[in-house]
Amino acid sequence: KAGVTQTPRYLIKTRGQQVTLSCSPISGHRSVSWYQQTPGQGLQFLFEYFSETQRNKGNFPGRFSGRQFSNSRSEMNVSTLELGDSALYLCASSLRASGGLASTDTQYFGPGTRLTVL
Amino acid sequence: SQQGEEDPQALSIQEGENATMNCSYKTSINNLQWYRQNSGRGLVHLILIRSNEREKHSGRLRVTLDTSKKSSSLLITASRAADTASYFCATDAMEYGNKLVFGAGTILRVKS
Repeated sequence: KAGVTQTPRYLIKTRGQQVTLSCSPISGHRSVSWYQQTPGQGLQFLFEYFSETQRNKGNFPGRFSGRQFSNSRSEMNVSTLELGDSALYLCASSLRASGGLASTDTQYFGPGTRLTVL
Repeated sequence: SQQGEEDPQALSIQEGENATMNCSYKTSINNLQWYRQNSGRGLVHLILIRSNEREKHSGRLRVTLDTSKKSSSLLITASRAADTASYFCATDAMEYGNKLVFGAGTILRVKS
């Protein structure tokens, strides 16, 4: 099976612009989660989508948004970019069962998108 | 704040030696997972240990979990230069809405 893919791998934007990142999960995986990784804050959870619904959300401002399509592919969007948004954005997919309080399954990560905001 | 805290922050050992990394967390968990990351790339899942398990093995990896102390350890035996990477523990806890919460990581350097 092909792994999780993320596009683009590298991106350079300027402050005030917006950006859309894409993630294709492993075939059959319906849960997609997004994480931001920075040297200062480490790995932080952004949101999780399951069956086109946002099921969980981290503590990020509304400028960060996402969506999931019927084929489980997901996109995240960051509007009005700030310098502090420079980070590695990681997407992970899992088989995670239907929602509720079911614990997480193993998450398989993509290679990430390196976003630089100038 | 991060749920998991790894210790040490950095570790440098010779090839062939064992490496032990520790992770402490704050709340009751469903499971704890360990991941490896090579130089700013994606994370690779190493092992998952559930809250009702105490020890798990996978190849040269041994993970222990002590829920009474809210801590876990990852032991890599007979380390190789290719083990050089950052290692993260991640907890899945109901209190955090069943999302993975990562620690700050341990940077492991294995010298050949």
